[in-house]
This record gives sequence, C-alpha cells and structure tokens, in this order.
Amino acid sequence: EAGVTQFPSHSVIEKGQTVTLRCDPISGHDNLYWYRRVMGKEIKFLLHFVKESKQDESGMPNNRFLAERTGGTYSTLKVQPAELEDSGVYFCASSQDITGYGYTFGSGTRLTVV
Amino acid sequence: QKEVEQDPGPLSVPEGAIVSLNCTYSNSAFQYFMWYRQYSRKGPELLMYTYSSGNKEDGRFTAQVDKSSKYISLFIRDSQPSDSATYLCAMSRSGGSYIPTFGRGTSLIVHP
Repeated sequence: EAGVTQFPSHSVIEKGQTVTLRCDPISGHDNLYWYRRVMGKEIKFLLHFVKESKQDESGMPNNRFLAERTGGTYSTLKVQPAELEDSGVYFCASSQDITGYGYTFGSGTRLTVV
Repeated sequence: QKEVEQDPGPLSVPEGAIVSLNCTYSNSAFQYFMWYRQYSRKGPELLMYTYSSGNKEDGRFTAQVDKSSKYISLFIRDSQPSDSATYLCAMSRSGGSYIPTFGRGTSLIVHP
C-alpha cells in the first residue's frame, strides 16, 4: 500500500510569491488533513477534508491560504502571497475513519520564504 | 497555558537504558492519548494510542495515562540507537472531529 505522498519535499520562494503544495492520500482514505509545524513549535492543525468537502478549516491562519480537494482525491494547499512567517514544514495526513489516532502522515513539504 | 506541554529535550541516553518520555495536559476533555515517532525528514508515525486511563504495552514500549494527574508517559525498555528520533505526544477529545492536539516533541538520542 502506497503511503501519503507530498511534493515538493522542499520549496524556497521569495516573499510575495505563490506556492502550491500537493498531497496524495492513501487510496480510499476519505479523510485528509493538513498540518503545519513552525520551527520550535508544535504541529498545528490547519484543516480537514472529508472527501471533497471542508469539514473543519478552523486552523487556517488567514485568507492567504487556500486548500482544495477536487474529486475527493489529491489535495492542494496554495499560499498566496507568501510571507516570511509562513515558513515551516507542512504535513498532510489521511485516514479511513475519523478516529483521531488512525492517521498516516506524509513526509512533509519544507517551505522556506526568504 | 498550552493545552499540551512536552519538554523538547534533547534527551541523551546510552544504549540499553530505560527511557521515560512525558507530557502534561490541561484539558480534561481529552480521552485519546497517542505517541508518535518522527525520524528526521520524515512524517510522524503512530507508535501507540490508549483510550482513557491505564497502561498499554507493545514490545519494548509501554504507554501510561494518569488522567487524575493529567500526565502521560511513554517508556522504552532496552533502548537502541535506532530509537533515536523525536517523540510527540498527541491527544484528542471523543466526539466531534477528534482532531488531535500535539506536544512539541522530545528529541531522543540513544548513543552506542
């Protein structure tokens, strides 16, 4: 079984530019989550998709962040325009059921805004 | 006050030592308690989870939850250099979306 795939693995962009992160969940997993870890801080929840619907987006920091999951398969997270404080590691996770413990995480995208 | 507190370490131990990793929390609504292990440049992977109070053992790993003290622990027996990683505690409420709240993680180094 293929795991959760994220790309790119690393992205360096200038302040004000746009970046799009992609996540391919495990096939058949209806639940997809985005998390972010800023250096030295906890992993923080951003949002939760159930299939193509946003179930909970309470963790999205502001309207510069846009997440989509067309067709309930892969998901993208776009940051536009990027700011310095957006730097961090963005993790995607997927699960078959809503359990709180059955997540499989991807390896993350390390975003550096300079 | 943060909902979940975890000492970031690093914690350095010799091979074969018993390791104790801990988290405290403030929200009494937490019912699910998890430990994740994260190797460098990888995503967290679930090690163990427990529901409510009590102990759970899996090989060299033992998870303990003391809800009265709002304190959870992960013990690693006969630690190996391959156990070197960051260990994150996480906890979630029952009902609703179950979105877990993570600790900062403790960096563990097991040296030969």
